[in-house]
Order: sequence, then C-alpha cells, then structure tokens
Amino acid sequence: QVQLEQSGAEVKKPGALVKVSCKASGYTFTTYGISWVRQAPGQGLEWMGWISGYNGKTNYAQKVQGRVTMTTDTSTSTTYMELRRLRSDDTAVYYCARSIMAVAPPDHWGQGTLVTVSS
Amino acid sequence: SSELTQDPAVSVALGQTVRITCQGDSLRDYYASWYQQKPGQAPVLVISGKNNRPSGIPGRFSGSSSGNTASLTISGAQAEDEADYYCNSRDSSANLVFGGGTKLTVL
Repeated sequence: QVQLEQSGAEVKKPGALVKVSCKASGYTFTTYGISWVRQAPGQGLEWMGWISGYNGKTNYAQKVQGRVTMTTDTSTSTTYMELRRLRSDDTAVYYCARSIMAVAPPDHWGQGTLVTVSS
Repeated sequence: SSELTQDPAVSVALGQTVRITCQGDSLRDYYASWYQQKPGQAPVLVISGKNNRPSGIPGRFSGSSSGNTASLTISGAQAEDEADYYCNSRDSSANLVFGGGTKLTVL
C-alpha cells in the first residue's frame, strides 16, 4: 500500500530554516511527484508546490517562491522540503502528498509534520 | 481569479442529503476534487475529476459541476461524515488552489 512517512516535529526560531522529509513506499517513486501542502493552526489547506519524482522539476506557489526548495533522492524514494527565513506565520502542519503531476489532486498524504516558529 | 469559495459551515440531519458547494472562475475550465479532513488527521481524497471515487470511499459521496460551481453531495449522511471538507482545483498558472473549507455537522 502507498505510504508517505514524514519526519518529526520541529521548533525553529524566526529567520532559521527547516527541512522536512517524506519517504515514499508502496509505489514506483519516479512515476509520481510530491506536492507539499501546509495548514496553519485552525486554518485551511495551502498548496506550496510540487516536485517531479521523475526528473526533479519543480513548481512553487508564488507565496513561498524564493524561500522554498524541494528536492528528491530517488535512491531512497525521499522528498525534502526546505523553507528558509522562517516567520511566525510559517507555523503550521506540513503535509507531503502524492500527485501524478503538478496540477493533479494529491491522492495519498503523509501524516503531517508540525513546524513551530517561535522566539 | 484563482480563488475557490466555500460556505464556512453546513449542517445536515442524520440520514439526509447534503450538498457542499465550491465557487470559482477556474471551475469553468477545470474539475474540482474534494477532500475530507477529520480533527488531527491528514486530508483524504473523496472525489476527483468528473466524479471519481477512490477505492474505499462510500458510494454516498458524489461530485458534480455546473458553470463556476462544483458540488460535493453526501446522500444519506452518517455520523462519521462529520468533518471539514475542502475543494481543490488548478488555476491558469498550473498552481493548485484549495477552498477555505466547509465544516459539516451531522445532527
């Protein structure tokens, strides 16, 4: 079965960076991409971007463009999302989710990683 | 516009039918998908494309679309359907967009 296993919760100070990992299993990694979606406390879902598992091509949301980098390691079927210059409003649960292409609806989701930004 | 608008809250009596709507200009050109999210859990895809239910999603969930409005219908709502529901589509810039979410209460 498809599984996406994310790294554990993080606490960061404003201005720092965070890197969240997402290890995929149960499917051919290079056939799909990974979307990253975040959810601030009590708020809705916000798409951050997508990366191809085939060639590493990325598509970032304008709101985080310039602060986010998504990468993949096909040898371990792992995707990474790095967010820099953290602000308090980056506090959220970050989800990775499988998508066959950037504009396709994600069909399987990780369990989420809570990132707290606080001084 | 790339925004998707949903009613913040909807309620339905147990066993009755409820429709949750999502409005946006992009829905004239692209299908919406729908997610169910229960407290403390990751979202679950319940409808994608024209009206496709992933494996394991009950048949009481269905999707439809007309003009700039997409709808998720739950026919015979159950207590376990109480959750937040989010619509999702793409915009002209190849970005994914989510609606603000609708909190469904089953009475």
